[in-house]
Amino acid sequence: QKEVEQNSGPLSVPEGAIASLNCTYSDRGSQSFFWYRQYSGKSPELIMSIYSNGDKEDGRFTAQLNKASQYVSLLIRDSQPSDSATYLCAVLGGGGSYIPTFGRGTSLIVHP
Amino acid sequence: DAGVTQSPTHLIKTRGQQVTLRCSPISGHKSVSWYQQVLGQGPQFIFQYYEKEERGRGNFPDRFSARQFPNYSSELNVNALLLGDSALYLCASSRRLGDTGELFFGEGSRLTVL
Repeated sequence: QKEVEQNSGPLSVPEGAIASLNCTYSDRGSQSFFWYRQYSGKSPELIMSIYSNGDKEDGRFTAQLNKASQYVSLLIRDSQPSDSATYLCAVLGGGGSYIPTFGRGTSLIVHP
Repeated sequence: DAGVTQSPTHLIKTRGQQVTLRCSPISGHKSVSWYQQVLGQGPQFIFQYYEKEERGRGNFPDRFSARQFPNYSSELNVNALLLGDSALYLCASSRRLGDTGELFFGEGSRLTVL
């Protein structure tokens, strides 16, 4: 069974700090990796996707992928209170799978 | 362009009843997936449809069924409701089957079973 593991948190960081969110996955054949943000009472929203080893930057967000370690992370620089949300890691397996598996999410709290 | 729309947004049912949830994908999107999300957990996959054919089914009992219509809208049906079916039901669409990691979610239908 494909598993995606995230620490549920909450992760609390001060405004302006770097928030680091981590995710591990069990399916070594996984090819595609996604980070979704979900505000309380709202639906998930895609914020980053990454397909190759290394870093991918988009504004204040950086996704990092290490397939050998089966590890993907999301860094949020200059964290703002508006970044307070649950961040869901999703992994799309290999072998022609079209169904992403979601982790339980990490709750991030950015305090002023 | 309108996003993914779901109806109803909230509903309350009693045990044993049946419920139908509806979803309209983003225009041009041909893949629709259904997820169940309980508080504190990530979305759990229920069904995926592409071009009106079922392409995937999660680990849910046969009380759960779905279909996709020619206009790519979709319905999720749940029969013989149990208390444990109380959850947020999310519909997500993507343009092609190969894009199904990049999902666009609707606001969800929050089901409460009493």
